[in-house]
Amino acid sequence: GENVEQHPSTLSVQEGDSAVIKCTYSDSASNYFPWYKQELGKRPQLIIDIRSNVGEKKDQRIAVTLNKTAKHFSLHITETQPEDSAVYFCAARNAGNMLTFGGGTRLMVKP
Amino acid sequence: DTAVSQTPKYLVTQMGNDKSIKCEQNLGHDTMYWYKQDSKKFLKIMFSYNNKELIINETVPNRFSPKSPDKAHLNLHINSLELGDSAVYFCASSRRGGGRSDEQYFGPGTRLTVT
Repeated sequence: GENVEQHPSTLSVQEGDSAVIKCTYSDSASNYFPWYKQELGKRPQLIIDIRSNVGEKKDQRIAVTLNKTAKHFSLHITETQPEDSAVYFCAARNAGNMLTFGGGTRLMVKP
Repeated sequence: DTAVSQTPKYLVTQMGNDKSIKCEQNLGHDTMYWYKQDSKKFLKIMFSYNNKELIINETVPNRFSPKSPDKAHLNLHINSLELGDSAVYFCASSRRGGGRSDEQYFGPGTRLTVT
């Protein structure tokens, strides 16, 4: 089955700096890669996603890149703000429409 | 206007009991899911279900069973609860097909504590 690894597990940045979270996946048939943000005690919410036929996607301060050959994808957050503090999960979807999540990254943005 | 709802929000029960968690979605989605999030925040798929097929994560014990009375509901039944079942359980739904419809919408979660 699919295996998704996510790094780092914790990330602390100063407000205004950029944050980068990286994920690798194992199943070359995976074709959809969403990123979810989960605030403390809340549900995971989709913040950006990318499909396997696209290399990069941007939405305001967040962007995701995908390297299909190397089977890795990354989340980039620029101009971080304290409200960006949360746990971020990457995921990969296989042909069976099942999402396999990475282990999560706890992002802390210090004001 | 809640998209995916779950009840109860909290569930405390003793080992050996049988319990159910209910999930409802009003998005008109045709696929629903159950995830387990443990104390270390790992999110793991348990089941994927639409009206045609049930896909089970092979690591899920057969004490767990999803039951769908209709397209908008997917309930989770757990028999003979064990301490290790303590976790937050999230229901989610999505619509098959391309475009934005790939997004899975999560419910608020049910925190299950087995004592």
